[in-house]
Amino acid sequence: QKEVEQDPGPLSVPEGAIVSLNCTYSNSAFQYFMWYRQYSRKGPELLMYTYSSGNKEDGRFTAQVDKSSKYISLFIRDSQPSDSATYLCAMSANRDDKIIFGKGTRLHILP
Amino acid sequence: EAQVTQNPRYLITVTGKKLTVTCSQNMNHEYMSWYRQDPGLGLRQIYYSMNVEVTDKGDVPEGYKVSRKEKRNFPLILESPSPNQTSLYFCASSPSTSGTDTQYFGPGTRLTVL
Repeated sequence: QKEVEQDPGPLSVPEGAIVSLNCTYSNSAFQYFMWYRQYSRKGPELLMYTYSSGNKEDGRFTAQVDKSSKYISLFIRDSQPSDSATYLCAMSANRDDKIIFGKGTRLHILP
Repeated sequence: EAQVTQNPRYLITVTGKKLTVTCSQNMNHEYMSWYRQDPGLGLRQIYYSMNVEVTDKGDVPEGYKVSRKEKRNFPLILESPSPNQTSLYFCASSPSTSGTDTQYFGPGTRLTVL
């Protein structure tokens, strides 16, 4: 079992819908959870960062961490065509530890 | 302009011919890291550096070397490249000493090893 599992998609949803992106992980030592967005032919950019369990909201984006289930989610409200990208989850056990990424989910928002 | 630069952007080489991919940042960032991205495997961390002269292995360090002699530069060295190192490589930097904070990625280097 890989340390981080993420459905590669593609996931296609109509504009304005709520998008749910998820990752599961096996390493209970993970405490730091990140979501990156990557547009085609570009490097990733950090969207959200969460430490330990709980929710974090930033505009249309909400990140959730459920450590008991080893499951993290990213919700995008009022999705826009400009949200079409690959979304990667990433995790680390400590601030000075290596970063493990999921494979990324390709998201298409249909106008 | 604040940025992370990588050179070369594209490289085709042959098995066994040593090569270096340079990475430079002009933001006085503490943390720098190298990643490779492959279809179906996602983004994987190769090496990272939290400070000058401090480097640590990431998830896939085999076949690579790095050095951090000065703050702004973090070259990736392939002593004897093999075809399985054909990939898209990204360098990234962060203002803190941790990769869990915002990382700024370079434009990528597409390497093909024949």
